[in-house]
Amino acid sequence: DTGVSQNPRHKITKRGQNVTFRCDPISEHNRLYWYRQTLGQGPEFLTYFQNEAQLEKSRLLSDRFSAERPKGSFSTLEIQRTEQGDSAMYLCASSLGVFGTGGRGGYTFGSGTRLTVV
Amino acid sequence: AQSVTQLGSHVSVSEGALVLLRCNYSSSVPPYLFWYVQYPNQGLQLLLKYTTGATLVKGINGFEAEFKKSETSFHLTKPSAHMSDAAEYFCAVSDQSPGNQFYFGTGTSLTVIP
Repeated sequence: DTGVSQNPRHKITKRGQNVTFRCDPISEHNRLYWYRQTLGQGPEFLTYFQNEAQLEKSRLLSDRFSAERPKGSFSTLEIQRTEQGDSAMYLCASSLGVFGTGGRGGYTFGSGTRLTVV
Repeated sequence: AQSVTQLGSHVSVSEGALVLLRCNYSSSVPPYLFWYVQYPNQGLQLLLKYTTGATLVKGINGFEAEFKKSETSFHLTKPSAHMSDAAEYFCAVSDQSPGNQFYFGTGTSLTVIP
């Protein structure tokens, strides 16, 4: 169990540019989640995958955001035409099943990708 | 709808003193409740969770929390603070939906004074 890995750790980009983040979950975890955390706030749900299927998206996930998990393993989160309001920490988490029905309970979070849009 | 309120965005305690971080939740279904800790520039680490069963749950690093349905609370405590406990603490509730998404509070920053 090597944990959830996120790359890059930090990204500085100019407004209007596209950025892509990668998340490698714990290998046997079938669920993968993306959250966004702005300064002074708790994480907010963006989207989640069960295996390769994207099953839910938050209203926070505008059409400039797209997430994929092509083979049910790693996932990417792309932001097109970045805006200053996109500056945040983007957290990935993974879990095995749904807690209460055999899952381990709670997620395992990665260390996040901090995006700064200038 | 689910939501979490953490009273006190900043809490300071002396080393060795009791730590009490407050969390109240709102949930339309029996909740699953969690406490996470976040150190600077790191992800969130699970401290403890309540799903079913015993309402007093023990977690890592000497922390514990008690689920009180009548008060809709899930306060986090530790009998004796250590310098290494200084961090941001988040309470979260899950709605048990198929998506299993969490709703986090805004966090409480704990400072431990030597």
